[in-house]
Amino acid sequence: QKEVEQNSGPLSVPEGAIASLNCTYSDRGSQSFFWYRQYSGKSPELIMFIYSNGDKEDGRFTAQLNKASQYVSLLIRDSQPSDSATYLCAVNPGEKLTFGTGTRLTIIP
Amino acid sequence: ETGVTQSPTHLIKTRGQQVTLRCSSQSGHNTVSWYQQALGQGPQFIFQYYREEENGRGNFPPRFSGLQFPNYSSELNVNALELDDSALYLCASSRQETQYFGPGTRLLVL
Repeated sequence: QKEVEQNSGPLSVPEGAIASLNCTYSDRGSQSFFWYRQYSGKSPELIMFIYSNGDKEDGRFTAQLNKASQYVSLLIRDSQPSDSATYLCAVNPGEKLTFGTGTRLTIIP
Repeated sequence: ETGVTQSPTHLIKTRGQQVTLRCSSQSGHNTVSWYQQALGQGPQFIFQYYREEENGRGNFPPRFSGLQFPNYSSELNVNALELDDSALYLCASSRQETQYFGPGTRLLVL
């Protein structure tokens, strides 16, 4: 079992719709959870972090964490073409970040 | 912009050579982590430095080594380059748990 698993996609969503990205992790001791956005040829850019169970909202982005089920998700509301990128889920069970392979999201105008 | 800088941006080396990559951390950040990202994969943790000491290492061979300097900048050294070392090398700086990435160095080994 991979430490962090994401739907590899690609995921296509019409402009203006809600994009839902999911991630599961195996280490129950993980305390910190991150979503990074990575445009092609660029480095990862931090979008959200979440530490507690429940929802955390920041503008059009909402991160959801359920530690009992060991999953974390990212919702993007009112999707824009500029949201087209690869989204990386990362988990911090210690000093390192453990990443999934990423979900490639395409917003269709 | 995260304030994390890396040099060089691109590099081409041949198999067996050695390479040094550099990273300047964001002001106020005392921790630097290095990651390797192969095409189509998520970043893989190489090692982390905290106040000039190695503070954790991933599953990479000893030919991957590093340093952190008193100003918290850092170097990643790779000896005896192999073709599979071709990747994007990312440096991330942090003060607590949240890591901010630099633009990366793209290394091609021929």
